Amino acid sequence: GDSVTQMEGPVTLSEEAFLTINCTYTATGYPSLFWYVQYPGEGLQLLLKATKADDKGSNKGFEATYRKETTSFHLEKGSVQVSDSAVYFCALTGLSFGAGTTVTVRA
Amino acid sequence: KAGVTQTPRYLIKTRGQQVTLSCSPISGHRSVSWYQQTPGQGLQFLFEYFSETQRNKGNFPGRFSGRQFSNSRSEMNVSTLELGDSALYLCASSLAAVKPDTQYFGPGTRLTVL
Repeated sequence: GDSVTQMEGPVTLSEEAFLTINCTYTATGYPSLFWYVQYPGEGLQLLLKATKADDKGSNKGFEATYRKETTSFHLEKGSVQVSDSAVYFCALTGLSFGAGTTVTVRA
Repeated sequence: KAGVTQTPRYLIKTRGQQVTLSCSPISGHRSVSWYQQTPGQGLQFLFEYFSETQRNKGNFPGRFSGRQFSNSRSEMNVSTLELGDSALYLCASSLAAVKPDTQYFGPGTRLTVL
C-alpha cells in the first residue's frame, strides 16, 4: 500500500541555519505530495504541495521538489527563524502521512 | 470561507465513559477524515467518510466509530474509554471525490481520560 517515510527528529537548529527534512514515499500511480506544518497548539496546515514529477512546491521560504526517480520529496529552507519551530509532516494523496519531524529553532 | 471547526476543543472524561466529538467541514467538502495524534505514535488515521459512507478505515478497535450526516458534518464516538485514548483528535476535510487530496485540518479536540 501507499506509505511515507520521513526523517525522524527531533531536529534542533540555530537561527539562520539550513534545514532539510527527508521524505520518501511508496505509491502506485502518480500521487500528489504534500508538506504540512503544525505549530504548537494548532492543527495541521498545508505548507506546500506538488502534483507531478519535477514540480517544485514553495511557500514561506520552504521548497520541495517532486523527484519520481528517487521517490522523494525533501523539504528545505535556507535560513530558518525561531517562528519555524513546529512539527512537519510529509504526506501523499489519500491518507498516508509520515510520522512527523519536530523542528526547534533557537535564537 | 469558514475553516474546519471541531467541538468541543477540550474534554476530560474518566475511564469507562464514552465521548462524542464533532467536526464541521469546509462548505462544499464531502470527504471528512479523522486522526488521532499522540506524542508516542504520531498521527494515526482513524477513518474517512465520503457522502455519508465510510470509505477507508484505519487499524483501531471497534470502540472507535464514526458517522457522517447529509450535510457532511461528521461525528466520532469512542466508547468504554481507556487511559491510552488520551490524545488530540484531528478532523480534516477535502474536496477531492476519488481520494482525499489537499486536506484542511481543524484545530483538534484535546481528550484527556482520567
